[in-house]
Amino acid sequence: GAGVSQSPRYKVAKRGQDVALRCDPISGHVSLFWYQQALGQGPEFLTYFQNEAQLDKSGLPSDRFFAERPEGSVSTLKIQRTQQEDSAVYLCASSLVEGARNTIYFGEGSWLTVV
Amino acid sequence: GNSVTQMEGPVTLSEEAFLTINCTYTATGYPSLFWYVQYPGEGLQLLLKATKADDKGSNKGFEATYRKETTSFHLEKGSVQVSDSAVYFCAQGAQKLVFGQGTRLTINP
Repeated sequence: GAGVSQSPRYKVAKRGQDVALRCDPISGHVSLFWYQQALGQGPEFLTYFQNEAQLDKSGLPSDRFFAERPEGSVSTLKIQRTQQEDSAVYLCASSLVEGARNTIYFGEGSWLTVV
Repeated sequence: GNSVTQMEGPVTLSEEAFLTINCTYTATGYPSLFWYVQYPGEGLQLLLKATKADDKGSNKGFEATYRKETTSFHLEKGSVQVSDSAVYFCAQGAQKLVFGQGTRLTINP
């Protein structure tokens, strides 16, 4: 497809389990973002890549969260030793280049429930 | 820090009614401003944006004007349709967007 693709769409994890969420950005898009959206709230910034470089990870809530984009295209958000407060929708987004003049396209999200 | 505050929902209107969803922001400098929409079962979509003061963003009959003096970016539509039912998010920034909490809009026929 032509949009941002995320998998899995739904994930139920037991507390303490590790999870990995995948994002396929739009082909050729340089910038890639991860956001976390709790139920009933707006998305909150987690981290940002320009190509393979992680330029901003200030929003990652703890050292249990790790993101990578080794070849500058597909990205993976990994959460280690999941906790109940990690339950949220994780949104991936991409844009052609950086800057506010370029439209940021969002995927449909990966819904994580930690039980 | 930078923040966005938007009108709490849910908002319920009848078809063809006039819509306003308020949004105010706090920021250092002059950020770009956005409205995103999330239809049921779909991802966030950019509805409109404005990149500098007094700019008006518009799309699908929706409009919002960047007001620096009141630090606002209120969303308006003159005549809403059932298909406009969705959650609307106001946001500011560049690549690192700061979102409001969202306003759920329901339009009844």
